[in-house]
Amino acid sequence: EAGVTQSPTHLIKTRGQQATLRCSPISGHTSVYWYQQALGLGLQFLLWYDEGEERNRGNFPPRFSGRQFPNYSSELNVNALELEDSALYLCASSQGDDAAGIQPQHFGDGTRLSIL
Amino acid sequence: EDQVTQSPEALRLQEGESSSLNCSYTVSGLRGLFWYRQDPGKGPEFLFTLYSAGEEKEKERLKATLTKKESFLHITAPKPEDSATYLCAVQASKLTFGKGITLSVRP
Repeated sequence: EAGVTQSPTHLIKTRGQQATLRCSPISGHTSVYWYQQALGLGLQFLLWYDEGEERNRGNFPPRFSGRQFPNYSSELNVNALELEDSALYLCASSQGDDAAGIQPQHFGDGTRLSIL
Repeated sequence: EDQVTQSPEALRLQEGESSSLNCSYTVSGLRGLFWYRQDPGKGPEFLFTLYSAGEEKEKERLKATLTKKESFLHITAPKPEDSATYLCAVQASKLTFGKGITLSVRP
């Protein structure tokens, strides 16, 4: 079974530009999550999509946005890039919760975004 | 606000030297606690889910336990390939991660 896949692996941009990151979830998973992992900081929750809708959002400015497509893949868009946006961006997917409890999130290997 | 604190920040062990990693948390409405392993340049790899105090899970040399305020990841007779960063996360309205514990196991 294929895991969560993210593209591109690396992305280099300059300040003020826009970046688009892509994520394909594990087959059968309907929820997609985005996280930012900056040096020295833990994983910070960005966005949660389920069934095409934004369900929750972390403490990030509106220039961080995204969407989920009918095939459950997802895009993260970052506008007006700033130097501090340099980080590893991780995507995760999960199944819906069931009688056994909440399901774990499974992660891709991320997109390394560097802002020059 | 949900908070997760992991300690120590880094741990160096000799091969075969057992130890424990700590994760303390404050959260409103805990739905589950997760342990992940992260290798350099990779995304976190899921290890365990714990749902309620008193619960324990085991996998090879790892055992995770949960109380009402903290969780422990016990590593028995570690090997060099256990070297990684171990992340703890709590699920309420969202998943909140600790900063992780970097474990180095020397041969």
